Amino acid sequence: QQPVQSPQAVILREGEDAVINCSSSKALYSVHWYRQKHGEAPVFLMILLKGGEQKGHEKISASFNEKKQQSSLYLTASQLSYSGTYFCGTVINYGQNFVFGPGTRLSVLP
Amino acid sequence: DTAVSQTPKYLVTQMGNDKSIKCEQNLGHDTMYWYKQDSKKFLKIMFSYNNKELIINETVPNRFSPKSPDKAHLNLHINSLELGDSAVYFCASSQGGRRRSGANVLTFGAGSRLTVL
Repeated sequence: QQPVQSPQAVILREGEDAVINCSSSKALYSVHWYRQKHGEAPVFLMILLKGGEQKGHEKISASFNEKKQQSSLYLTASQLSYSGTYFCGTVINYGQNFVFGPGTRLSVLP
Repeated sequence: DTAVSQTPKYLVTQMGNDKSIKCEQNLGHDTMYWYKQDSKKFLKIMFSYNNKELIINETVPNRFSPKSPDKAHLNLHINSLELGDSAVYFCASSQGGRRRSGANVLTFGAGSRLTVL
């Protein structure tokens, strides 16, 4: 079952913040975040496994809510290099397939 | 050193032809995957092999046949190509056991863009 991502697209100026959400109708075993720059391969950012978990660096971090049905990716003081499509990927139960969300296209303008 | 390498990077061919895409990883991972990314950027898993054994085979036409001669290589052969097969095909690998762990981190190759005319 594919997770839902919002927004579908976001345009920012350098230095602005953004939040990308990933949600599921069922509790999840794990949430993964990947970034794909234009014309390149997706690159792993982070994985969250525990309800209530927060992880990441100052500028790019993510959270997983207590019910394990929603994760948010936080991009702070965005840079031009943050532009790309951000995918969450979810696993409902251990041992089941990993499914990517539809992606959120982020454009950071000078 | 490229961790996951795919060849060719671009492939343009006529409908009805047969083509192959090759993938190799030097990370020592024991699981490899093929993903298809369509024009809307949806990333969908097609196959997964663990130590040469097929463990994921999603609903994919029989014209697609993966082959894994060893755990470092996973090739994709496509018969009788159709217009709808045009996409970017990504190979990926992860460390992990035979079971489909929810914590496996994927390392992707650069992708192979297939265009069917």
